Amino acid sequence: DQQVKQNSPSLSVQEGRISILNCDYTNSMFDYFLWYKKYPAEGPTFLISISSIKDKNEDGRFTVFLNKSAKHLSLHIVPSQPGDSAVYFCAASLNNAGNMLTFGGGTRLMVKP
Amino acid sequence: DAGVIQSPRHEVTEMGQEVTLRCKPISGHDYLFWYRQTMMRGLELLIYFNNNVPIDDSGMPEDRFSAKMPNASFSTLKIQPSEPRDSAVYFCASSTRQRQYFGPGTRLTVT
Repeated sequence: DQQVKQNSPSLSVQEGRISILNCDYTNSMFDYFLWYKKYPAEGPTFLISISSIKDKNEDGRFTVFLNKSAKHLSLHIVPSQPGDSAVYFCAASLNNAGNMLTFGGGTRLMVKP
Repeated sequence: DAGVIQSPRHEVTEMGQEVTLRCKPISGHDYLFWYRQTMMRGLELLIYFNNNVPIDDSGMPEDRFSAKMPNASFSTLKIQPSEPRDSAVYFCASSTRQRQYFGPGTRLTVT
């Protein structure tokens, strides 16, 4: 049973436009959410996170939105750059589950010049 | 800090052979995680340790898989005997809070 889902396996966006990556979760007890970016032949690297007490967190070109009632979060990248082309994973954690993360299946973002 | 270190980066072995993957976590991190990434299943958590003690190994696929953490700076994931379906990229990650830091991974190919 996948508790964190990324329903779009891939997304193609033109350089300069907005990229929106989506993530849904089923466990209402998740209280912290993260996005990781992964380039080929490298490990995932942390991008941005959000606590369940917030509905938005912004860091430069990256903004994460959390809709708790819909159990949905999204990552907005604006403007998108070719260097943003990578696989993006969303992840969720429970405060009482140590530091364990549950990952989604990933979305491959391709930003075309 | 050098980050999480994994070795080897690539491993090619024949079916039936023993494979040992190694991980050195970031100094001071008290959690260590082993993941496997495949096209079919994405990133799967295999096992994780807290202060060198295994906490949850429910993701370990079979008895052929075992993991140890003899001290705070070293962990191994062993597969014995290896099978072609074990071919994947294996990641180690460490953390002290909810943000995990990943190593570069070991690409395992079992022929």
